[in-house]
Amino acid sequence: NAGVTQTPKFQVLKTGQSMTLQCAQDMNHNSMYWYRQDPGMGLRLIYYSASEGTTDKGEVPNGYNVSRLNKREFSLRLESAAPSQTSVYFCASSQDPLGSTDTQYFGPGTRLTVL
Amino acid sequence: KNQVEQSPQSLIILEGKNCTLQCNYTVSPFSNLRWYKQDTGRGPVSLTIMTFSENTKSNGRYTATLDADTKQSSLHITASQLSDSASYICVVTRYGNKLVFGAGTILRVKS
Repeated sequence: NAGVTQTPKFQVLKTGQSMTLQCAQDMNHNSMYWYRQDPGMGLRLIYYSASEGTTDKGEVPNGYNVSRLNKREFSLRLESAAPSQTSVYFCASSQDPLGSTDTQYFGPGTRLTVL
Repeated sequence: KNQVEQSPQSLIILEGKNCTLQCNYTVSPFSNLRWYKQDTGRGPVSLTIMTFSENTKSNGRYTATLDADTKQSSLHITASQLSDSASYICVVTRYGNKLVFGAGTILRVKS
């Protein structure tokens, strides 16, 4: 039971390059989330998927796209990376949506640097 | 504006001592409040979740309190250990499924 896994752990991109961050969970959770964490700031929600087949924008969606591939997997794509997207990206999952008291489980994070 | 403010920004204490971290929020309407522990280089891990009607919740040596009237919460750590060194994050959920994260308090426990 690995929980929430993310790949890659580290990535360096040049401005304008594209890439996809992968996330998978093995807890049979309905809801999945992508956050970014910048120094001195709280985590900010990029996109979330309340259930398989649905996705919604969070607080900072610009420059990103997501795909809920199936119940287990939720990917985040940067089409044309910019230095402002340098950050640590966390994927999370929960059984119930955000408004519940259900626990969110976070992955280990992906450290992305855009030069 | 919906905000979560945490204090202090950072804290150093000696092993075995107690400490209290503060969280003030202006988030409305309030749904619940969570405390997370985040070790360096790792994802956050949930410590406690409290709803409007709960004013205390414990998880081992961690005790969270909530005063919904003054919109304040605290996280008390008893008999600190070196492994408590981490960032502690307060998160408030608004009705409508919006989570507002605080910037965190960095705790360092010294031997």
